[in-house]
Amino acid sequence: DQQVKQNSPSLSVQEGRISILNCDYTNSMFDYFLWYKKYPAEGPTFLISISSIKDKNEDGRFTVFLNKSAKHLSLHIVPSQPGDSAVYFCAASAPGGNQFYFGTGTSLTVIP
Amino acid sequence: DTAVSQTPKYLVTQMGNDKSIKCEQNLGHDTMYWYKQDSKKFLKIMFSYNNKELIINETVPNRFSPKSPDKAHLNLHINSLELGDSAVYFCASSRPTSGRSYNEQFFGPGTRLTVL
Repeated sequence: DQQVKQNSPSLSVQEGRISILNCDYTNSMFDYFLWYKKYPAEGPTFLISISSIKDKNEDGRFTVFLNKSAKHLSLHIVPSQPGDSAVYFCAASAPGGNQFYFGTGTSLTVIP
Repeated sequence: DTAVSQTPKYLVTQMGNDKSIKCEQNLGHDTMYWYKQDSKKFLKIMFSYNNKELIINETVPNRFSPKSPDKAHLNLHINSLELGDSAVYFCASSRPTSGRSYNEQFFGPGTRLTVL
């Protein structure tokens, strides 16, 4: 029962353009969402988060948008840089829970 | 000064063996976790543990057991290894979550387990 889904396993974008990574969830109790970035042979590292009381959170080149009615969130990276090439995981949690549910990741390649 | 470390990085073993993966964090966090990333890249929680509570994902076979000698360590013991246990195992830690307070998790580099 996969409660968090990332339907695009891979994405290629030209350097300088916008990268948009998508994530869908099924559990309406989820109220906190995170994006993690993972390089090969390393563990995921936290990138940006958003609470369900917001619909947008921005940190430098990274912006996360949340559409609660559609149970959908997206990560925008602009402008994309070659160093952004990595696997991006979306994760979600319900109130008060230590448990985060992860998607299967989207592998982003930024082409110089 | 690695925040979350795991050993070994790679582990190759025969079916039926018993093995352990060690995890240490120097962040002063109270809560630690074990995740399994299978061949489909699905990152799934196995355990979350703090000094008060062990939460086990009910889908995890009882051949897997976490052992915490102290707050900074959460080791994963696996008995009678099976082929399907081959995966990458990640340890993580975070400050405790309370009420509507959330804290991101810090992950170790992963241990790639191959069962032959």
